[in-house]
Amino acid sequence: KNQVEQSPQSLIILEGKNCTLQCNYTVSPFSNLRWYKQDTGRGPVSLTIMTFSENTKSNGRYTATLDADTKQSSLHITASQLSDSASYICVVGAGGGADGLTFGKGTHLIIQP
Amino acid sequence: DSGVTQTPKHLITATGQRVTLRCSPRSGDLSVYWYQQSLDQGLQFLIQYYNGEERAKGNILERFSAQQFPDLHSELNLSSLELGDSALYFCASSPRGPGMYEQYFGPGTRLTVT
Repeated sequence: KNQVEQSPQSLIILEGKNCTLQCNYTVSPFSNLRWYKQDTGRGPVSLTIMTFSENTKSNGRYTATLDADTKQSSLHITASQLSDSASYICVVGAGGGADGLTFGKGTHLIIQP
Repeated sequence: DSGVTQTPKHLITATGQRVTLRCSPRSGDLSVYWYQQSLDQGLQFLIQYYNGEERAKGNILERFSAQQFPDLHSELNLSSLELGDSALYFCASSPRGPGMYEQYFGPGTRLTVT
């Protein structure tokens, strides 16, 4: 069964600090891995999409890494801001169908001033 | 603003009732997806339509149905509602199938069943 596990479940850090969120997956066949940011009560917004051949991708202060051998991905946030407070969801695609997307439950990140 | 619109934003109804949620995709997008997000669950894929035809099905209950119209907007119909159907329902769109195409999510409809 395809699964995506995210850790930690929740995280509190001070504004200006860096943090790293983890995503482990058992999805086959692997097609792509996505990170989404979801503010409370709003729709997810895409941060990055990576394929098998990519091992790092940046979007401003967000940097995602992918190790397809160990089936792990991380999302690193640099110089956190209050607006980074949100849930971060890892999504792994298997094949090309929408039913092939497996969603993690997310990491709830709180940035404190 | 993703360009995907959903109505209504909030819906409160009683058990046993039927509701319809509406979604308008981004201009030019042919694929529409529906997701359910409960309080303690991650996003659950329900169903996908591509250019008016059902393309993929996820964990959608038989009480739920959807369709995509010629103008590409989509509706999700939920019937015989139960308390457990209370959730956020998101619609997303993409230019074609999911593949490597970005999915753009709408703001969601919050359904409360009392």
